[in-house]
Amino acid sequence: GAVVSQHPSWVICKSGTSVKIECRSLDFQATTMFWYRQFPKQSLMLMATSNEGSKATYEQGVEKDKFLINHASLTLSTLTVTSAHPEDSSFYICSANREYNEQFFGPGTRLTVL
Amino acid sequence: TQLLEQSPQFLSIQEGENLTVYCNSSSVFSSLQWYRQEPGEGPVLLVTVVTGGEVKKLKRLTFQFGDARKDSSLHITAAQPGDTGLYLCAGISGGYNKLIFGAGTRLAVHP
Repeated sequence: GAVVSQHPSWVICKSGTSVKIECRSLDFQATTMFWYRQFPKQSLMLMATSNEGSKATYEQGVEKDKFLINHASLTLSTLTVTSAHPEDSSFYICSANREYNEQFFGPGTRLTVL
Repeated sequence: TQLLEQSPQFLSIQEGENLTVYCNSSSVFSSLQWYRQEPGEGPVLLVTVVTGGEVKKLKRLTFQFGDARKDSSLHITAAQPGDTGLYLCAGISGGYNKLIFGAGTRLAVHP
């Protein structure tokens, strides 16, 4: 159990376009999901906490209008990178909370903005 | 600001050697988790420790949570090339469910 999927696994887009990344908990319900960003050879950086049915909580320095998060159901959260630019290129990872605050991570989405 | 200091950052050893990775903080954590991440993939949960002084074993991996719940260690016995990867410790503090991550330890085990 405790499987989290992400789609797409990689995406290449042109500068100025928007990209949507989906995160799904496949075998459990998650009232809270998290979105992280990871640069090469670095640890994970929390971007925002996504709560089902309410607005996401963004970490300091993360633009909420740039990174739109929607948590429409207990098994799905989406991250939309709006008007993407090359500096948004990164590895984006989601996670979902299960009991005892254990977080299970998705496989990640590699975004490349040309 | 809560910090979780992880050391060493890099470790390159020969197959069969033992190693220990440390995570230390001045904050108390209600739980601490260890993850292993391979390139291009998401972190995979190895273990969660909750009780101060707790020791958990996963085959050749031994995880320990400090008595005061401020630190933790991961010990690998007789490392194998398959153990190669990025090891991350992450803790949850207070009433929040956010994970605070260490900087990670990049382990390379050579045959």
